[in-house]
Amino acid sequence: GEKVEQHESTLSVREGDSAVINCTYTDTASSYFPWYKQEAGKSLHFVIDIRSNVDRKQSQRLTVLLDKKAKRFSLHITATQPEDSAIYFCAASIGSNNRIFFGDGTQLVVKP
Amino acid sequence: EAAVTQSPRNKVAVTGGKVTLSCNQTNNHNNMYWYRQDTGHGLRLIHYSYGAGSTEKGDIPDGYKASRPSQENFSLILELATPSQTSVYFCASGVPGHTEVFFGKGTRLTVV
Repeated sequence: GEKVEQHESTLSVREGDSAVINCTYTDTASSYFPWYKQEAGKSLHFVIDIRSNVDRKQSQRLTVLLDKKAKRFSLHITATQPEDSAIYFCAASIGSNNRIFFGDGTQLVVKP
Repeated sequence: EAAVTQSPRNKVAVTGGKVTLSCNQTNNHNNMYWYRQDTGHGLRLIHYSYGAGSTEKGDIPDGYKASRPSQENFSLILELATPSQTSVYFCASGVPGHTEVFFGKGTRLTVV
């Protein structure tokens, strides 16, 4: 089955700097790549996604890049703020049954 | 706002006992999922369902059963709980197709 790997287990940045979280996947049939955020002690919620028919998607300070050839995708957060501190999970999905394969998560710490 | 409600939120069980974790969603979503989250392992899929009466095995189904008696309810059953099943369990719901999945707040299970 699909395997999603997140390269950074922790990432520390200064407030106002940019943060980049990188993920790779194994199955070329994956066509949907969502990102979820988990704040300390809370559940996960959706932040942004990208489909395989595009290679870039932006929503305010978040941008997702997809390189299908390299089977790699990344989340870019600009002008980081303390409230961006959380665990970010990348994921990949194959087909229409909505089964999602998650990476192990990246702990982002934004220091003042 | 999509709503997924898990109960109980916290549970202490004894080894060998039976544990039932309940999940209710009011989103009329066909798909429901049970994940467990452990440090270093991210989110791992235990069981999922495409609708009332259906259950499918995920990546780590051993030691767990699932039940989907209705569109709204999806239960995870540990017939003989073991300490290795101590974890945080998340239920989620979603529609078929590439759209976001909505998570419950999680159940912290401790098996002693």
